[in-house]
Amino acid sequence: GQQLNQSPQSMFIQEGEDVSMNCTSSSIFNTWLWYKQDPGEGPVLLIALYKAGELTSNGRLTAQFGITRKDSFLNISASIPSDVGIYFCAGRGAGGGADGLTFGKGTHLIIQP
Amino acid sequence: GAVVSQHPSWVICKSGTSVKIECRSLDFQATTMFWYRQFPKQSLMLMATSNEGSKATYEQGVEKDKFLINHASLTLSTLTVTSAHPEDSSFYICSARIRGDINPEQYFGPGTRLTVT
Repeated sequence: GQQLNQSPQSMFIQEGEDVSMNCTSSSIFNTWLWYKQDPGEGPVLLIALYKAGELTSNGRLTAQFGITRKDSFLNISASIPSDVGIYFCAGRGAGGGADGLTFGKGTHLIIQP
Repeated sequence: GAVVSQHPSWVICKSGTSVKIECRSLDFQATTMFWYRQFPKQSLMLMATSNEGSKATYEQGVEKDKFLINHASLTLSTLTVTSAHPEDSSFYICSARIRGDINPEQYFGPGTRLTVT
């Protein structure tokens, strides 16, 4: 099956720093999604990307759909304490909209005040 | 908008019993819902795709007879873990796609923590 490699696995940063994480795939994806999950809760959608090369922002978050359709990155600028959590990339392949998502293993973001 | 709820939020059951978890789309209709499983400090793994009015599609390695899925209406899907064992203890999360939405965005429920003793 399709696999996503997400890195880094964890990040320890200072408040105010910028954050960057990425996902790569061995196969082509038609859609890339970035989610944030807080402990004991379900993932919350942050950004959705539908076209190769697309660059989309949501507040301090920016994500891009790689032109090869096999990668995506998420940047967080000027991190704040509430950014702490686990960030997952997720992709949908060519099987159609009814397919479930393939998730990366997550990036655990820890912010030191 | 696009709110998904799950009930219960946590459940403890004895080994050998069955547990039913509900997933509801509160403010939209969902022809397709998905069930995921997440072990501690791990990613979400798709278990099955639930389509309203038809049989669920299970991912490879997921036992159909153990994880019964029923999508009886456009706003409700249920997952029943039959004859639960301790290894079934996990965080179960559902998601739903908005009916008629051409984009594949999935909206997730808050999850159900299952502990089998």
